[in-house]
Amino acid sequence: DARVTQTPRHKVTEMGQEVTMRCQPILGHNTVFWYRQTMMQGLELLAYFRNRAPLDDSGMPKDRFSAEMPDATLATLKIQPSEPRDSAVYFCASGPYLAGELFFGEGSRLTVL
Amino acid sequence: GESVGLHLPTLSVQEGDNSIINCAYSNSASDYFIWYKQESGKGPQFIIDIRSNMDKRQGQRVTVLLNKTVKHLSLQIAATQPGDSAVYFCAEKNPGNQFYFGTGTSLTVIP
Repeated sequence: DARVTQTPRHKVTEMGQEVTMRCQPILGHNTVFWYRQTMMQGLELLAYFRNRAPLDDSGMPKDRFSAEMPDATLATLKIQPSEPRDSAVYFCASGPYLAGELFFGEGSRLTVL
Repeated sequence: GESVGLHLPTLSVQEGDNSIINCAYSNSASDYFIWYKQESGKGPQFIIDIRSNMDKRQGQRVTVLLNKTVKHLSLQIAATQPGDSAVYFCAEKNPGNQFYFGTGTSLTVIP
């Protein structure tokens, strides 16, 4: 049963600390997306990769957020330094390029104190 | 980014009734649309999709209608069941393959 896997599922940290969230996309999917979900903003697109290359990260605060795909099986989203306003659920999704829907992971719930 | 909006943030329906959830999108170039269902503590799950060259698509108990003239999308759920209670999102895909989501409609099914 192919699925997108995200770790950690929950993270509580203090302001100023570095946070790294990881995602394993479904094997064979060549597009990966990072979304942030809050009650006020819904699902915000943070970053989009195709064949491991970042195509769009305009939704991401550049000064503290960074997203990478070190290889085809791993996508990372890093926040340094973290702030309380970063508290949200972060979702990773993968899909085949131009060929259908996105498959979502279960999310990483981040709380920054 | 794109603007995908939902007309109603909450919807309550009686079990067995039909539900209609609406969505407005802003990019006339969007070529693919999806409805997702999200249950508490889980990631969004695919329900049904429709391409821009269609105006209606049916699945099991669900129907999606697309009106490109007014840039409107709707999800119809027939014979709504308690298990349908969740937040429903519409998403649009632009030609650049970016997916944008609305803020969601919370559906509550009253037994």
